[in-house]
Amino acid sequence: EVQLVESGGQLVQPGGSLRLSCTASGFAFSNYAMTWVRQAPGKGLEWVSTISGSGSSTFYADSVKGRCTISRDYSKNTLYLQMNSLRAEDAAVYYCAKALLPGTIVIEGFDIWGQGTMVTVSS
Amino acid sequence: QSALTQPRSVSGSPGQSVTISCTGTSSDVGGYNYVSWYQQHPGKAPRLMIYDVTKRPSGVPDRFSGSKSANTASLTISGLQAEDEASYYCSSYAGSYTFVVFGGGTKLTVL
Repeated sequence: EVQLVESGGQLVQPGGSLRLSCTASGFAFSNYAMTWVRQAPGKGLEWVSTISGSGSSTFYADSVKGRCTISRDYSKNTLYLQMNSLRAEDAAVYYCAKALLPGTIVIEGFDIWGQGTMVTVSS
Repeated sequence: QSALTQPRSVSGSPGQSVTISCTGTSSDVGGYNYVSWYQQHPGKAPRLMIYDVTKRPSGVPDRFSGSKSANTASLTISGLQAEDEASYYCSSYAGSYTFVVFGGGTKLTVL
């Protein structure tokens, strides 16, 4: 079964750091670009960051650029999002999502989503 | 403010058809045939319903269809069913800088 399972979300103080993880199974992890999408409570979806299948290309939303780093570990089939200097507006459910098609960084759709992990930023 | 503009809500009765619009610019919706649509029920992860403007993934009923004209994409749901009540989000590839944009979401109510 193709599956993504996120973890790492928790309550953190403003200015703090957090690393989110997303463990993939059931597909050739290295063949697919992977993405983080977030959703603030009661709000819509917001693209956060994407990493290519090879890991050589990364892309960030302006709202997180310079504060977040996306990476992937092929030995563990795991995607990461390192988040620093967290702000109240970063509070959201963070989803990892798999690109629909292999071998391309162009996102035609996200066909597999994790269940999400909640990040709360508060003092 | 989201990059793509969707109506906040639409409604329809069972068996009817509804269309949800998604307006962007020539840098996203109008510039690429990489519009996708997602269905999200409360508390659940999004589900891919349409990709590449008009294509349906395996398992998505053919009651769901997509189209695009210039900078506006549309999702049409025909033969509305109670389980279609959900929020729907459009998304588009937007090039190597902006990369991916989402719409603000549309709440579909089945009356």
